[in-house]
Amino acid sequence: GQNIDQPTEMTATEGAIVQINCTYQTSGFNGLFWYQQHAGEAPTFLSYNVLDGLEEKGRFSSFLSRSKGYSYLLLKELQMKDSASYLCAKSGGSYIPTFGRGTSLIVHP
Amino acid sequence: GAGVSQSPRYKVAKRGQDVALRCDPISGHVSLFWYQQALGQGPEFLTYFQNEAQLDKSGLPSDRFFAERPEGSVSTLKIQRTQQEDSAVYLCASSLVGGGAGELFFGEGSRLTVL
Repeated sequence: GQNIDQPTEMTATEGAIVQINCTYQTSGFNGLFWYQQHAGEAPTFLSYNVLDGLEEKGRFSSFLSRSKGYSYLLLKELQMKDSASYLCAKSGGSYIPTFGRGTSLIVHP
Repeated sequence: GAGVSQSPRYKVAKRGQDVALRCDPISGHVSLFWYQQALGQGPEFLTYFQNEAQLDKSGLPSDRFFAERPEGSVSTLKIQRTQQEDSAVYLCASSLVGGGAGELFFGEGSRLTVL
């Protein structure tokens, strides 16, 4: 398997910063996706990292270290609407994205 | 519409019935994926099409599951003799490029409940 691991649940306060980690098996790696999924809705694309480093896109940033098999999603200035499941997915040797179980983020006032 | 469309949104089936789930991808998208998502879990890969060719069906859980995309656009996922463990949300996603190297656009899913 792809051994994609991410925490099951995280909580944070509105206005704060939260980092959601994801580790994966390094063999057969092509890229790392992050998706956001609100309850009962379709996953929506956040980022796709192929090279090492941090990519910033507004309040959301994604980091990748290919040698360590590690990525994180950083969410700044948290808003209540950011409460959702965050899915890490690895694009492997066959290029078919394999998803982790998702991290449920709860933002409270 | 401009997005991926799936139907039906909700389906209740008695155990043993056959069901068919439809996916209308974004026009011109080469790749089409089916995923199964159980409650509280991430999407699990079922099968992948590049145009009309089914390039990977390694995720289909049993021979009761069958998918097709005969003209390289609309796809149907068929489940024969449904079982309670088939209850899940079935997500379809399409991508402009081949394989999973590009952004996947997901439909809202078909929620199947088998009684």
